[in-house]
Amino acid sequence: ETGVTQTPRHLVMGMTNKKSLKCEQHLGHNAMYWYKQSAKKPLELMFVYSLEERVENNSVPSRFSPECPNSSHLFLHLHTLQPEDSALYLCASSQDYGNTGELFFGEGSRLTVL
Amino acid sequence: EDQVTQSPEALRLQEGESSSLNCSYTVSGLRGLFWYRQDPGKGPEFLFTLYSAGEEKEKERLKATLTKKESFLHITAPKPEDSATYLCAARTGGGNKLTFGTGTQLKVEL
Repeated sequence: ETGVTQTPRHLVMGMTNKKSLKCEQHLGHNAMYWYKQSAKKPLELMFVYSLEERVENNSVPSRFSPECPNSSHLFLHLHTLQPEDSALYLCASSQDYGNTGELFFGEGSRLTVL
Repeated sequence: EDQVTQSPEALRLQEGESSSLNCSYTVSGLRGLFWYRQDPGKGPEFLFTLYSAGEEKEKERLKATLTKKESFLHITAPKPEDSATYLCAARTGGGNKLTFGTGTQLKVEL
């Protein structure tokens, strides 16, 4: 495996379900990110972890809960979601958080909330 | 508030028909302007980073340029495989926070 891998690629869930998105990076990077991409909207930064510590939390509703157990893995736990949360969720990584702009993205998890 | 605006929203070109995509930005303290390519169903793929006005970078048929207010992505003699959505993003402040535009969807036809 190379780059940034996200699973599952597609997820359909009801509003009362609990599910998790998983991201793994094989690049030896120290920073990992969750972005939300909705149609006709810019990518929205949700969370950033640097060396397993959360450094950004952009006013994201508590029904989204991130977890970074080590510098290679990032999870996004989902519970009691709303239909407007349906979107493409993208994971990304970069060498460091402080001084490198290049993000490497995974292919995304397409989430549909019914 | 930092803002990045891309135009046009969509662009249709014939193969070989050169054109430019625009990314205008209103940010405080630009620390890098990034271009990404995104294919349907995929994550964005990094293309270029520009740091100062006057800087240019090239890759195959693509050339990115930067002024103090905007960036252009010039596409010379495009091919159908250049069809994708092109995103630009501005990095400001500390950390690695990027403000993205909504993208230009490019379609190159035979």
